[in-house]
Amino acid sequence: AQSVTQLDSQVPVFEEAPVELRCNYSSSVSVYLFWYVQYPNQGLQLLLKYLSGSTLVKGINGFEAEFNKSQTSFHLRKPSVHISDTAEYFCAVSDLANAAGNKLTFGGGTRVLVKP
Amino acid sequence: NAGVMQNPRHLVRRRGQEARLRCSPMKGHSHVYWYRQLPEEGLKFMVYLQKENIIDESGMPKERFSAEFPKEGPSILRIQQVVRGDSAAYFCASSYGGQGAREKLFFGSGTQLSVL
Repeated sequence: AQSVTQLDSQVPVFEEAPVELRCNYSSSVSVYLFWYVQYPNQGLQLLLKYLSGSTLVKGINGFEAEFNKSQTSFHLRKPSVHISDTAEYFCAVSDLANAAGNKLTFGGGTRVLVKP
Repeated sequence: NAGVMQNPRHLVRRRGQEARLRCSPMKGHSHVYWYRQLPEEGLKFMVYLQKENIIDESGMPKERFSAEFPKEGPSILRIQQVVRGDSAAYFCASSYGGQGAREKLFFGSGTQLSVL
């Protein structure tokens, strides 16, 4: 079984300031890692994913995340946020060995509120 | 190319009624997933279907819930005799293939079910 913990339920941040959203996971098997963003009244959009290779992953809209296997973390960062980054962000994992589709286990989400 | 289409966007039911949620996957996608998002929680996997087959229903409640993905037409998530605890946002996602976690998921905008 897998679980994902997002330590911060809400993160207020000023425009143009950096932001880091924390994500830790636990799993008995190797996993793939994802960050999704959900804008108000919309479905989820993939921001970035880690499958293999470089532990620093760059995604859309200037976001990046770093996979740290020893700390079982996959924190998301953006050096300078914009008002339009106000949204809810979800970290998710998928079992590497799961051949039956791409079933995701999500964290509880972090609500980012960017203030002018 | 339309994305994943879910309807209705909002559905209000009284306790004891039936709720039917529809999901039309992206064109060319034959794999569908349903997730439920309870208030203040992350998304929870419910069921994974391919055309005419249920592949993984490990997240479905044992009673009152059923899902189908017929050869023709949308995928349907059906909830019989709804209770207040069923109030949630229900998201559908689709993918082209079923190659495990490497398959990109595309999410719909969700159906918000409110049970009075």
